[in-house]
Amino acid sequence: EVQLVESGGGLVQPGGSLRLSCSTSGFTLRSHAIHWVRQAPGKGLDYVSGISSDGASTYYADSVKGRFTISRDNIKRTLYLQMSSLRVEDTAVYYCVTDKLYDSGGYYLYYFDSWGQGTLVTVSS
Amino acid sequence: IQMTQSPSSLSASVGDRVTITCRASQMIASYLNWYQQKPGKAPKVLIYASSNLHRGVPSRFSGSGSGTDFTLTISSLQPEDFATYFCQQSYSAPMYTFGQGTKLEMK
Repeated sequence: EVQLVESGGGLVQPGGSLRLSCSTSGFTLRSHAIHWVRQAPGKGLDYVSGISSDGASTYYADSVKGRFTISRDNIKRTLYLQMSSLRVEDTAVYYCVTDKLYDSGGYYLYYFDSWGQGTLVTVSS
Repeated sequence: IQMTQSPSSLSASVGDRVTITCRASQMIASYLNWYQQKPGKAPKVLIYASSNLHRGVPSRFSGSGSGTDFTLTISSLQPEDFATYFCQQSYSAPMYTFGQGTKLEMK
């Protein structure tokens, strides 16, 4: 069974830093890109960041570029999201997500297959 | 790519047929996925590539569309279907974007 368990959330002041972790089990981690998606209280889903299966490529939403850094340790089976210069608007539940490739024969696409339970980050003074 | 869902909220009764619409700001072929989220829980994938039912998802759920306009249909609402639904485009992966969500409430 695929399991993704986020940790590291909490209360932090504006301008502060926090590192989120995502511990994984039940699947071949080195074969999957992993992503972070966040959800502000009562709001919709926002894509935050992603990292390729080998860690060579990383992706960031414009809203976090230059402030957040994603990384992975395939041996420890853990993903990280280092967040700095945090803003009030970064307050959200952060989900760790795996993607799955669908090959239709004519094209292929990815969708978000498994999600963690989320960890809450609150940025407030 | 902007994704716009309608309606933002919807009241319906058990047994009703319900349709939710998602529109993309540009052509995305069939690169459209649907998720269901219940309060306090993580989202779950329902449909991928516009019309493919994810494993374990009841057949009362269906999806259709291509290009810019997509629909999610629940043929006969069950009590467990009251939730919030999100569409997501993966055309511009890895820069994914979601619709704002449609909250399906019991009438």
